[in-house]
Amino acid sequence: RKEVEQDPGPFNVPEGATVAFNCTYSNSASQSFFWYRQDCRKEPKLLMSVYSSGNEDGRFTAQLNRASQYISLLIRDSKLSDSATYLCVVNSDSNYQLIWGAGTKLIIKP
Amino acid sequence: DVKVTQSSRYLVKRTGEKVFLECVQDMDHENMFWYRQDPGLGLRLIYFSYDVKMKEKGDIPEGYSVSREKKERFSLILESASTNQTSMYLCASSRYLTGQNYGYTFGSGTRLTVV
Repeated sequence: RKEVEQDPGPFNVPEGATVAFNCTYSNSASQSFFWYRQDCRKEPKLLMSVYSSGNEDGRFTAQLNRASQYISLLIRDSKLSDSATYLCVVNSDSNYQLIWGAGTKLIIKP
Repeated sequence: DVKVTQSSRYLVKRTGEKVFLECVQDMDHENMFWYRQDPGLGLRLIYFSYDVKMKEKGDIPEGYSVSREKKERFSLILESASTNQTSMYLCASSRYLTGQNYGYTFGSGTRLTVV
């Protein structure tokens, strides 16, 4: 089993729709969780950290479910500019190292 | 904002050449990392360093070495470039306090082609 698993997609979603994707992780002791966004041929950029209580940043909501060992990302009122690959990231046992999912590709269509 | 600068955006090298990829960060971060990213394979860790002159092998260190003589600079060396090292190389840095990871900041990447 991979340490961090994501559905690779692509998710093809009409503009204005709500889209959600999950990511599962294998290390029950993980403490740090993130979503990164990566545009084509660019570097990954931090989208948001994921806190135990869940957190929201504008149209983006991240949730953590420790019991089932998954994190989720919800995007409301999707924009064309949301088209990107979304990477799920979880800390390793050492905590200063991060383990990266392979990414979920999102395509927003007009 | 933290800035991580990679010396080249694009490089073309010949098989057998020794290749140096440089990475500099300006926020006094302890940790620095080198990844490569290939289509369908995601990010793969080559080497990392958590302090000056310290280095640790990642998942795919074969054919690579690193150097960290100063805190702000972390260099990746391809000892003898081969075509299977054609890839996007990403440098990252992070701050770390005990028990808390603040995520990584990446440089803009170096797209290396070995011919």
